Amino acid sequence: AQSVTQLGSHVSVSEGALVLLRCNYSSSVPPYLFWYVQYPNQGLQLLLKYTSAATLVKGINGFEAEFKKSETSFHLTKPSAHMSDAAEYFCAVSGRGGSEKLVFGKGMKLTVNP
Amino acid sequence: EPEVTQTPSHQVTQMGQEVILRCVPISNHLYFYWYRQILGQKVEFLVSFYNNEISEKSEIFDDQFSVERPDGSNFTLKIRSTKLEDSAMYFCASNLQGSYEQYFGPGTRLTVT
Repeated sequence: AQSVTQLGSHVSVSEGALVLLRCNYSSSVPPYLFWYVQYPNQGLQLLLKYTSAATLVKGINGFEAEFKKSETSFHLTKPSAHMSDAAEYFCAVSGRGGSEKLVFGKGMKLTVNP
Repeated sequence: EPEVTQTPSHQVTQMGQEVILRCVPISNHLYFYWYRQILGQKVEFLVSFYNNEISEKSEIFDDQFSVERPDGSNFTLKIRSTKLEDSAMYFCASNLQGSYEQYFGPGTRLTVT
């Protein structure tokens, strides 16, 4: 069984500040991990994915995440927030069988203040 | 860039009515999925579909739900007799065989009154 924990539901940062969105996972098999972003009234867009290559993964829009097996974590970071980053962010886990279902966390709404 | 499309964007229906949500996956993708997101809750997996068969389904996907690929392009989710608790955003997704990246559509907001 797999699960994802995203503690809290809302993060607020100032423009230019560090963005840190936490994700912890539980998986009985080696996982693949994903971050998706959802802008208002839009679908889910893949930000980045970990599929067992480099543990530090770079994605779109300046985001990156680091897979830490010992901590069962896959936190999302961005050095400097931009107003356009305001959205909801979802961490997800899947197995490595290919074309497996995604198990999502509850999501984290990011607000960026001017 | 190819994208997954869904229609309608918003569907309002009365309890007990049947609804069909439509999706057009990316044309060369072979795996299809439905997820739902009840307001304020996490995105939940409903069903996956490959080679005209259900690959996996969640406990949510009971006998009231069915999926179909009626032609070479559409992928549909039918709810036979809607309940108030079926109100949610329904997302369709697709991916290539062997790929781990699922592409999501913009969703259909279903409101059951």
